[in-house]
This record gives sequence, structure tokens and C-alpha cells, in this order.
Amino acid sequence: EDKVVQSPLSLVVHEGDTVTLNCSYEVTNFRSLLWYKQEKKAPTFLFMLTSSGIEKKSGRLSSILDKKELFSILNITATQTGDSAVYLCAATNAGNNRKLIWGLGTSLAVNP
Amino acid sequence: SAVISQKPSRDICQRGTSLTIQCQVDSQVTMMFWYRQQPGQSLTLIATANQGSEATYESGFVIDKFPISRPNLTFSTLTVSNMSPEDSSIYLCSGEDRLSTDTQYFGPGTRLTVL
Repeated sequence: EDKVVQSPLSLVVHEGDTVTLNCSYEVTNFRSLLWYKQEKKAPTFLFMLTSSGIEKKSGRLSSILDKKELFSILNITATQTGDSAVYLCAATNAGNNRKLIWGLGTSLAVNP
Repeated sequence: SAVISQKPSRDICQRGTSLTIQCQVDSQVTMMFWYRQQPGQSLTLIATANQGSEATYESGFVIDKFPISRPNLTFSTLTVSNMSPEDSSIYLCSGEDRLSTDTQYFGPGTRLTVL
């Protein structure tokens, strides 16, 4: 059965810290891995990764995929209180009619 | 990115009643999906909304409880029928971006409380 596992489940840091969130996957016919940020209700799209070793970057956030070891990381540098959220990772199975397989998320709290 | 709106944003309903949630997407979207997120949990896919035909439901979800319509490309509704407190949840619609297969964008969500 396809699955996505995120770690840690929760994390508390101070403003200015750098954090690394992990996402491992076991997905047959893997095609892509996506990261979302969820603050209140709706997840906000961050990145989609399909190729190993190519870093995607947006401001202080970056992400990379390793298709050999079956994992991805999301880095946030110089964290701010506004980064406090649940970060969700999801993967797609190419044969699964575009459904996303979701991890449980990492709850990040950034304290001032 | 696709623009998705959803209403109502929240509602408090009595047990035994039904609520219909509406989702409007722009033309950037191809596939549409409905999710449920219970407190402290991740997203659970309810169904894929198919234009002009019956939705495709995931295991554990049935049409009688969660009827879904998608009369055209840009609009879908989800009805939560005969509600019980266990249906209290956030309901989310999403659309897959036409230009970026696999990337789903989400509506703002509906927070439903059933008393």
C-alpha cells in the first residue's frame, strides 16, 4: 500500500532558526512529490518535485527530492513567526488517477 | 495558479440536516476533488468530481451520504447528508492545475460543526 511518512510530527523553534522537515515515501509508479503549508483551513501549494537533486527555492524555503532513497526535505532558513503552520507532504502514483497520497504533516511553531 | 472559491466558509448545523457546499474554480482547472480533514488529522479524499457524470468515491464514502455534482467544468457541489456530530470537520475542494499535472490548489475550506 502506498504511504507517505513525515517527521518530525511537531517542532518548536525560535525565530531565526533553520529547520529541516522530512518526508519519506513508498509509492508504486511514483511520479511527483508536493509540499503544502496549512495555516488555518486551506493548504497552500509550495513546491512540486519530480527530479532528483534539483533544488526548488522560494525565498527562505527550499526543497529537494532524492528518488533513490525515496525522500524529500523542506528547509526553512531564518524562520519567522509567520512560518508557524502545518507542513504537508503528498506524493502521486502515476497509475492512480492523479490522487495525492498525504502524510500526516509536521506542525511547526516558531516562537519569537 | 488556479483560483478556487468555496462557500460557506463555516456553518453550524443540527443533527439530521444536510448542508451543501459550493466550489467555483477558474478555467485553469481540470480535475476537481473533495476532501475532509478531521481535527488533528491529514486530508482524506472523499471523491473525484467528474463533469457531467457520477463522482468517483473513495473507500468508506458513499453517494447517499456525500452526493456530489459537477454540472460543468468550473463548478461543483458536495452535500453532507443526514449529518451527525461525527461529520464535524473541515471540507475542502481542490482543482488540478491544467498547466501543471498533479499540482492541486485548494479552496478556502468549509468548517462544519454538527450539534
